[in-house]
Amino acid sequence: DAGVTQSPTHLIKTRGQQVTLRCSPKSGHDTVSWYQQALGQGPQFIFQYYEEEERQRGNFPDRFSGHQFPNYSSELNVNALLLGDSALYLCASNNYGTGVSSPLHFGNGTRLTVT
Amino acid sequence: AQSVTQLGSHVSVSEGALVLLRCNYSSSVPPYLFWYVQYPNQGLQLLLKYTSAATLVKGINGFEAEFKKSETSFHLTKPSAHMRDAAEYFCAVSVVAGNTGKLIFGQGTTLQVKP
Repeated sequence: DAGVTQSPTHLIKTRGQQVTLRCSPKSGHDTVSWYQQALGQGPQFIFQYYEEEERQRGNFPDRFSGHQFPNYSSELNVNALLLGDSALYLCASNNYGTGVSSPLHFGNGTRLTVT
Repeated sequence: AQSVTQLGSHVSVSEGALVLLRCNYSSSVPPYLFWYVQYPNQGLQLLLKYTSAATLVKGINGFEAEFKKSETSFHLTKPSAHMRDAAEYFCAVSVVAGNTGKLIFGQGTTLQVKP
């Protein structure tokens, strides 16, 4: 049973550039959530996608956008990269609206470094 | 607004000793509470979850947590620490009842286990 997979594992970008991160949810899951984890911090919620629509959003600027595809996979896009965007980006999946019976399963993350 | 506070950013115990990681939460609704563990260069793995069915929750790897509403606490314990328990531990609360995609995480506690 494949878990949550993310690509790439590491990425180095320059300030001002754009980046796309990819995620495939755990088999059987229909919802993808994205989190940003800065060094030494807990993860912070970016947004959640279900049925190809953004359902919830955290306190992140519009430079952060996403997409969900019919096969439930998802992309996170970040435009106009800032040094402060350097972080581990985590993708998590579960089933929508099922509460605690479907807790989040996390991937291993993409380490983004902005120079 | 929901929030989580983890008391102690670093906890050090000897192998075989009791592990106690503290978590206090703030929630305006009955909370869904979780403990996750993160090993170096990996994503988060669910240790246990509070479902309101029982105040004492047993999780994987010998960990358990007790929900105390009067103290708004959900501390994580393990009777006997093992070297493999050394990791980062995160307490989290679900913001939206019925939808656990958006979690608020604490800052994390690094557990060091000394031989």
